[in-house]
Amino acid sequence: DAGVIQSPRHEVTEMGQEVTLRCKPISGHNSLFWYRQTMMRGLELLIYFNNNVPIDDSGMPEDRFSAKMPNASFSTLKIQPSEPRDSAVYFCASRPTGGETQYFGPGTRLLVL
Amino acid sequence: AQSVTQLDSHVSVSEGTPVLLRCNYSSSYSPSLFWYVQHPNKGLQLLLKYTSAATLVKGINGFEAEFKKSETSFHLTKPSAHMSDAAEYFCVVSDKASGAGSYQLTFGKGTKLSVIP
Repeated sequence: DAGVIQSPRHEVTEMGQEVTLRCKPISGHNSLFWYRQTMMRGLELLIYFNNNVPIDDSGMPEDRFSAKMPNASFSTLKIQPSEPRDSAVYFCASRPTGGETQYFGPGTRLLVL
Repeated sequence: AQSVTQLDSHVSVSEGTPVLLRCNYSSSYSPSLFWYVQHPNKGLQLLLKYTSAATLVKGINGFEAEFKKSETSFHLTKPSAHMSDAAEYFCVVSDKASGAGSYQLTFGKGTKLSVIP
């Protein structure tokens, strides 16, 4: 199994630009999670999908952030416009039906200048 | 509500000596508990998990953890540290909350383990 796939692995952009992060969950997993990791705040859950439907987006910082899951094998997290304080590592994780364990991707390291 | 406290932000051990990373939790329900490891610039990898079966759980790379309900603890141990164990370790709790699609995870702040040659 390829595991959770995230792209890009690194992204450097300028303030004001749009950033799109991508995630392919493990095949057969029906839940998908987006997290953000920073030194100051640790790991924070941004949004959680179940069967492609957003269930809890209370962790999304503000309207500049949006996430979609158009099908069971693909999700995006978009930041528009980006700001320097968005610099962080963004992780995607997936979970199988009925399971508790989340499987994490390698993360996208975002730097907004 | 659930919460996790990792008692040490940084632990330093010599290679070949035992490792102890401490974790206390609070949970309204019967919790599941996990330890994840994150090596530098890598994603989180599951080390082990407790889900109400045996209280002593064995994981990968020689790590194990013991669930102690009376102490609300789930400390991670390893008899002999290896250089490759240097990483950040996260204790995680999952409440079996009601409703489909629950089992959201609450992460501790992490413990950074350094291994001295």
